[in-house]
Amino acid sequence: AQTVTQSQPEMSVQEAETVTLSCTYDTSESNYYLFWYKQPPSRQMILVIRQEAYKQQNATENRFSVNFQKAAKSFSLKISDSQLGDTAMYFCAFAYNNDMRFGAGTRLTVKP
Amino acid sequence: DAGITQSPRHKVTETGTPVTLRCHQTENHRYMYWYRQDPGHGLRLIHYSYGVKDTDKGEVSDGYSVSRSKTEDFLLTLESATSSQTSVYFCAISARGSSYNEQFFGPGTRLTVL
Repeated sequence: AQTVTQSQPEMSVQEAETVTLSCTYDTSESNYYLFWYKQPPSRQMILVIRQEAYKQQNATENRFSVNFQKAAKSFSLKISDSQLGDTAMYFCAFAYNNDMRFGAGTRLTVKP
Repeated sequence: DAGITQSPRHKVTETGTPVTLRCHQTENHRYMYWYRQDPGHGLRLIHYSYGVKDTDKGEVSDGYSVSRSKTEDFLLTLESATSSQTSVYFCAISARGSSYNEQFFGPGTRLTVL
């Protein structure tokens, strides 16, 4: 079974600085999808960024980018120019054949 | 925002009682999912549906059943609730299945089993 590990339960960053959240996963599949979701205090799950495993180019969405290392099974999220509104739980997720597995999450606090 | 609603949003019930949670979508998406969220575990898939009357089990399906009689509604039933089923439950929808499309989530239902 696929597993997803987020080794940083909590992180903090100063406003306007850059922070990287780590995610590793374990799978024997070669074609799959990876996601980062954000969950603010409102509890709503919001998609941040998506990466397709067959694409070597790292995905980017405005201030959010990923470092996808397929051989190492690593999928980290970099947030640039952190804003107070980025304060939230961040979940890494792996998806294959309708089975989506989430990591335990990293609680990120952006400090003014 | 994707048109997904969940009802009820909060529920407190007693051990041994049946509970049904409802997920309703207005997007006409084929795929619907039920997850539970617990501290230290992230979200875990309970059941999912890939069409009307077509459902399959997820990672933590024991103690839960689902039904989908219409495209827009996906019901999650706890036949006899236990304290271990105290959790926040999320419904999600996807146009083409989780492997190809992101899932859009509902607002969640907080269930407490006393």
